[in-house]
Amino acid sequence: EPEVTQTPSHQVTQMGQEVILRCVPISNHLYFYWYRQILGQKVEFLVSFYNNEISEKSEIFDDQFSVERPDGSNFTLKIRSTKLEDSAMYFCASSPDRLGNEQYFGPGTRLTVT
Amino acid sequence: EDKVVQSPLSLVVHEGDTVTLNCSYEVTNFRSLLWYKQEKKAPTFLFMLTSSGIEKKSGRLSSILDKKELFSILNITATQTGDSAIYLCAVGYGGATNKLIFGTGTLLAVQP
Repeated sequence: EPEVTQTPSHQVTQMGQEVILRCVPISNHLYFYWYRQILGQKVEFLVSFYNNEISEKSEIFDDQFSVERPDGSNFTLKIRSTKLEDSAMYFCASSPDRLGNEQYFGPGTRLTVT
Repeated sequence: EDKVVQSPLSLVVHEGDTVTLNCSYEVTNFRSLLWYKQEKKAPTFLFMLTSSGIEKKSGRLSSILDKKELFSILNITATQTGDSAIYLCAVGYGGATNKLIFGTGTLLAVQP
């Protein structure tokens, strides 16, 4: 059964460093999302992406964040200069349709900023 | 403020019991309500509901949505230890894409 994959599973970085989190969505899906879950808190929407551009973004998704689909299969989230409060589990999700009615999540990348 | 509230926060039952998990919501431009099961990491998709009053079933799990009263329930019958997980309710809403707002989840522990 097709699934969303994410790498790495765990990333440790120092404050101020850039990180890139990678996702491979399900191959025939067209809509892609990033969510994050800070330990003990709710899953929060970050950004949605379609047709090679951002569709929507949350207040969390500031200028330090960017997304890209560089090669037609990967979908990346870049944090330019990490802060301690960026420590969280980051989930990628994909959906086959615009309404995103069925969003399938990857296993997540745990980002730890020290 | 858009929000999704789940209850109870946690629940301990014995194998064979039936459980009902609740989800209420207040969002603008509602599109859909989704249930996920989260064990170790990734939320695993269970159901998506868009229409009121229509029950979705998958094996021992079923769910129904009431759009008038703004809530949904997830039922699990004949629970098994493998049902132990966090059950997340998420509501799709908003503009160009169906971004999800999640509840805090219900932690279900099924004891042998």
